[in-house]
Amino acid sequence: EAQVTQNPRYLITVTGKKLTVTCSQNMNHEYMSWYRQDPGLGLRQIYYSMNVEVTDKGDVPEGYKVSRKEKRNFPLILESPSPNQTSLYFCASSQGSVNSPLHFGNGTRLTVT
Amino acid sequence: AQSVTQLDSHVSVSEGTPVLLRCNYSSSYSPSLFWYVQHPNKGLQLLLKYTSAATLVKGINGFEAEFKKSETSFHLTKPSAHMSDAAEYFCVVSDRSGTSNTGKLIFGQGTTLQVKP
Repeated sequence: EAQVTQNPRYLITVTGKKLTVTCSQNMNHEYMSWYRQDPGLGLRQIYYSMNVEVTDKGDVPEGYKVSRKEKRNFPLILESPSPNQTSLYFCASSQGSVNSPLHFGNGTRLTVT
Repeated sequence: AQSVTQLDSHVSVSEGTPVLLRCNYSSSYSPSLFWYVQHPNKGLQLLLKYTSAATLVKGINGFEAEFKKSETSFHLTKPSAHMSDAAEYFCVVSDRSGTSNTGKLIFGQGTTLQVKP
């Protein structure tokens, strides 16, 4: 089944403890991106990647890192999480470009205390 | 820079009545526009997209949207609401630099559609 898989679905952590949220897609998509969703703000793009080894900042990249060493994986790294990074995170992928339909994962709900 | 504004944060309709979700955009260039739907505890799913072809775009589940350049609008409509349409809807514009997409997507704040029996 074609899908975007995020792990974990839920994560509670403490301030300053490094964490990684994984994202994997099995559709051979070139484009992948990360979003955070907060009430009243819609989705805001954190980082995106047009292809392997190519990553770019979205609208809210501060406090986050990503890597794209292989086509299927696009992990989101929080080196030193803070409470303002408590949010619902989504990974998405598409074939070719942003004009192609995005396939979303089911989300990761992160709480930083 | 591109931007998108969803004019209603919450819309309530009765089952069987028409749905109108409003979206205005700002873009220096001919934009690519999308509507996505998010059901509770789910990821987002594409409803429809406009990429400079026909101005009236038909999507899944009976939804359609009309691109109106003069009004900078891309409103989403459905003739008859169903209970299963209750969800959050996002209008999205792709960011452009010249004639090329940059890779950024800009989401509206979302509109929650409530469907009453």
